[in-house]
Amino acid sequence: KNQVEQSPQSLIILEGKNCTLQCNYTVSPFSNLRWYKQDTGRGPVSLTIMTFSENTKSNGRYTATLDADTKQSSLHITASQLSDSASYICVVSGSWGKLQFGAGTQVVVTP
Amino acid sequence: GAVVSQHPSRVICKSGTSVKIECRSLDFQATTMFWYRQFPKKSLMLMATSNEGSKATYEQGVEKDKFLINHASLTLSTLTVTSAHPEDSSFYICSARLAGVYQETQYFGPGTRLLVL
Repeated sequence: KNQVEQSPQSLIILEGKNCTLQCNYTVSPFSNLRWYKQDTGRGPVSLTIMTFSENTKSNGRYTATLDADTKQSSLHITASQLSDSASYICVVSGSWGKLQFGAGTQVVVTP
Repeated sequence: GAVVSQHPSRVICKSGTSVKIECRSLDFQATTMFWYRQFPKKSLMLMATSNEGSKATYEQGVEKDKFLINHASLTLSTLTVTSAHPEDSSFYICSARLAGVYQETQYFGPGTRLLVL
C-alpha cells in the first residue's frame, strides 16, 4: 500500500479560481514533506518543503499546510493561471534520503 | 537554486541496443544521485541510488545488469539501459542530493524520454 495518498486524482478548474489538493501519509518516522509541480514531460520542481514543526509555508500563489498529528497536508492554489496546469506531487521523506511519492494530482486550468 | 541537467532529453533506439543517459549537477557537488522511472500518469518509482565512487544500490525488482549505473565524479552519474526492449520505454528522471545544514534536498533533472522500437 502506498504510504502517500493524494486526492483528488485530477481536477479541472476555471482560470482565476482557487483549489486545494490533499495529501495523507503514513510514513514514519517523518522528516519532511514537499510539494512538487511537474509539467508534462519535465522533471518535478519543488514548491514547498515543511518539517514537522511547520504548519504552513507559502510560495507565491501556492500555500501548503501540514498537520503532523493527523499526517495530512494540503496545497492551496490561489487565483489559478493557465500555467498552473500540471501534476502536483506530494513527497514525504522518512529515513534519510528515502522519498515516498504520492501518485500526484493532475490539475487542468481552463480559460 | 541548484540545477540538475540530463542528456539526452529524448532518445529513440532500436530494440537490442544500449542507451546511456547522463545526469549532471551543474552548480553543486552531489555524492548521491538517484534514478527514477515514471510511466504515464504514474508517480516516480525509485530505481537505484547512485553513490560517488561506489556501487549503486538497486531497489527490489530492478535488474542491475540491465540498468548499469556509474557515478564517476561528484557531478556526473550515468544510467545505461542495456539491450533495450520496448518495455523499457519510459520517462527516466534523475535527482541529486544537496545536503544542507538542517535538511537535505533532492533536485530533479528535466527527465529523459526513452522510446525503444
